[in-house]
Parts: sequence; structure tokens; C-alpha cells
Amino acid sequence: GAVVSQHPSWVICKSGTSVKIECRSLDFQATTMFWYRQFPKQSLMLMATSNEGSKATYEQGVEKDKFLINHASLTLSTLTVTSAHPEDSSFYICSAPVYNEQFFGPGTRLTVL
Amino acid sequence: GNSVTQMEGPVTLSEEAFLTINCTYTATGYPSLFWYVQYPGEGLQLLLKATKADDKGSNKGFEATYRKETTSFHLEKGSVQVSDSAVYFCALSDQGSHSSASKIIFGSGTRLSIRP
Repeated sequence: GAVVSQHPSWVICKSGTSVKIECRSLDFQATTMFWYRQFPKQSLMLMATSNEGSKATYEQGVEKDKFLINHASLTLSTLTVTSAHPEDSSFYICSAPVYNEQFFGPGTRLTVL
Repeated sequence: GNSVTQMEGPVTLSEEAFLTINCTYTATGYPSLFWYVQYPGEGLQLLLKATKADDKGSNKGFEATYRKETTSFHLEKGSVQVSDSAVYFCALSDQGSHSSASKIIFGSGTRLSIRP
């Protein structure tokens, strides 16, 4: 099946700094990618849809200035958590569709101190 | 809007027991339905799917049937193993099967623990 990678797999940062998370489709092109957030022992919440060549579409309640998304190419989307705070600590997961199936990255665990 | 409601966990069973995890959905149109599994320390994996009414998805001994009349997609397995311990997510895609940009809406997840 299709492979989606994420980098880094985990990151620890200080409060107030910005963190960039990369999501790559390794063996296919993805004009659309999705970013999810998963809190401990909870479900995945869709944050935004990343669109190659246009602006990302954010879900209701997600701050677009806080979570910057850039779909730089057909194989790369980045999520930047700006001015991170402890409440942003979470597990961030991206996915990319191939036909009607989603392939998920392994996730990035962000811890903000 | 579209949503997925699944059985609250955690669920604890003995090895070889029968498993059912209930899942119901609310959606307009004809969504595709999925079960994803997340093993400890790993990413999400697609377990099985069904794209139209009365379809049965199956994999690794797990089955689920797309029931449009009851808007359900319950997950079943006849004899669970310790290795089935994981979190299971019911999900739907909110566009038709011909769309390549469908976003997935997840249920809350059900943690399953199997005792030896």
C-alpha cells in the first residue's frame, strides 16, 4: 500500500517557540492531505485539509494563525505550530488519500514544556 | 453533520471470546465505512472497509457489515486473541466512493484488552 511518513516522530520544545512537522507521501502524489490531532486515549480530531497550490481548509474551532499549513509540493505538507504552549502538546497525525482509502502517517508527538 | 458513534470502552475479554464493538453513523448520501486499528505505540492501520450497503468487510478474522437500514457497521470477531489488544476506531468518509479527497470522520475509539 501507499506509504506516508512524518518527521519528526517526536519533538520537545519550550513554550513560545514554533515547531514544524512534515508529512510526506513516499510513493504517490497527494494533492490533498489531512491533519489530525489525537489527545491521549481519545479519538482523532480533524484539524484541517491541506491543498496543494491553494490555502488549507480549517475545521471549525481550529486557529489558522496558530496552526500554519503549507502544501509545498505534491508529496509534502507541513504543519507549523506557532508560539506553542503546553496545551498544544498532543499527537499530530497526517493522512493522504489514494482513491477512497486514507493512508496515515505514524504520527508526531509534540510536548511543549 | 456527519458523525460516528461507537461503543464506549474499555472492553476486556478473555482469549477466544466473541467480540462485538457497536458502531452507528449519521451521514447524508452514501459514505464509505471503515474500521481502523491502533496497536500500542503504532500508527493507525486500516482493518477493513465497506463502500456500499450490505457490503461485508473482513480481515484477520474481523468482520463488519454495512447496514443502511440501521445505519450501523458493527465490528465482530468470533475468537479474539491477546494480539488483538488495541484501540479500534469506526470511521466514515464523507464523500462518495469516487472522490479522492474524502476526509475521514472518526468515532471516539474503543480500547480492547484481551486476557490470556
